[in-house]
Amino acid sequence: RKEVEQDPGPFNVPEGATVAFNCTYSNSASQSFFWYRQDCRKEPKLLMSVYSSGNEDGRFTAQLNRASQYISLLIRDSKLSDSATYLCVVNPASGGSYIPTFGRGTSLIVHP
Amino acid sequence: GAGVSQTPSNKVTEKGKYVELRCDPISGHTALYWYRQSLGQGPEFLIYFQGTGAADDSGLPNDRFFAVRPEGSVSTLKIQRTERGDSAVYLCASSLTGGAGETQYFGPGTRLLVL
Repeated sequence: RKEVEQDPGPFNVPEGATVAFNCTYSNSASQSFFWYRQDCRKEPKLLMSVYSSGNEDGRFTAQLNRASQYISLLIRDSKLSDSATYLCVVNPASGGSYIPTFGRGTSLIVHP
Repeated sequence: GAGVSQTPSNKVTEKGKYVELRCDPISGHTALYWYRQSLGQGPEFLIYFQGTGAADDSGLPNDRFFAVRPEGSVSTLKIQRTERGDSAVYLCASSLTGGAGETQYFGPGTRLLVL
């Protein structure tokens, strides 16, 4: 089983739609969690951290379920500019270091 | 301020050659990471530096890969006897101290093509 698993998609949705991605992780000792966004042929950039209590940033909501070992990202009112790959990142502790483990990413295509 | 920079942006080499990829992290960031990303995959961890020392090199695929960070800022990833399977985008990232909840800032990557 991979450490971090994501459905690669693509998720193809119309503008204005609500879309949700899940990501599962295998290391129960994982300390911190993030969603990064990666545009085609660009580097990943932080979208948001994921906190135990859940957090929201505008149209984006991230949640963590430690019991079931998954995190989720909800995007409301999708825009064309939301089209990108969304990478789930988990930081397990390993000998005092926090080495981020990335999922393969979920591709989102928002169409007019 | 300036972000993470990487050079070259593209590198084409022949099988068996030696290549060096450079990363210049954000000033003041003590943590530096190298990743490799193949098409359709997420970044795959290679090595993590804390200051000048390699704190974790468990992701290096074999002994053809080596990285240094002699003065705790710029890092160089070195690949000997390149193979076609080494073709990928090599990403560098830095963070302030390497703590669990810190944001990683990525450079634009070096696209390596081994013919």
